[in-house]
Amino acid sequence: DAGVTQSPTHLIKTRGQQVTLRCSPKSGHDTVSWYQQALGQGPQFIFQYYEEEERQRGNFPDRFSGHQFPNYSSELNVNALLLGDSALYLCASSLEGDYEQYFGPGTRLTVT
Amino acid sequence: AQSVTQPDIHITVSEGASLELRCNYSYGATPYLFWYVQSPGQGLQLLLKYFSGDTLVQGIKGFEAEFKRSQSSFNLRKPSVHWSDAAEYFCAVGASSGTYKYIFGTGTRLKVLA
Repeated sequence: DAGVTQSPTHLIKTRGQQVTLRCSPKSGHDTVSWYQQALGQGPQFIFQYYEEEERQRGNFPDRFSGHQFPNYSSELNVNALLLGDSALYLCASSLEGDYEQYFGPGTRLTVT
Repeated sequence: AQSVTQPDIHITVSEGASLELRCNYSYGATPYLFWYVQSPGQGLQLLLKYFSGDTLVQGIKGFEAEFKRSQSSFNLRKPSVHWSDAAEYFCAVGASSGTYKYIFGTGTRLKVLA
């Protein structure tokens, strides 16, 4: 049973560019959440997707957007990258209505 | 507003010594509480969780945590630390508001001396 997978593992981008990160949820899960973990900080909630719609959003600008596909996989898009967007981006999956989330290994994004 | 506080940024213990990592939360209703561990460059691994019932919960790797409603705390403990326990530990509260998102503390970095 595959757990949560994320791709790519590492990514280096330049300020102003756009990036897409991908997440496949644990088998059987239908809800995907994204978190940003800056260096030395705890993860911060970006948004959550269920039934292909964004259900709630944390305190992140509109440069951060996402998508969920019919197979429940998800993408996180960040436009107009800033140096401050450098972080580990974590994807977590769960079953609708279940508090327990399973985290992927993360994508390390470096913006230069 | 919901929040989680981990007062200790760094903790150093000797191998074989006991460990307690502190976590305090602010949440209006009965919280769903979690402890995660993160090794350098890795994702988050769930150590244990509290949803309801017995306030002392057992987790993996010999860890346990006690929920104390009167103190709004959920401290993590281990009776004898191993060198492999060196990592960063995060406490989190599950916030309902329709999304079941997690609110994390800032983490405690554990160093283990041989």
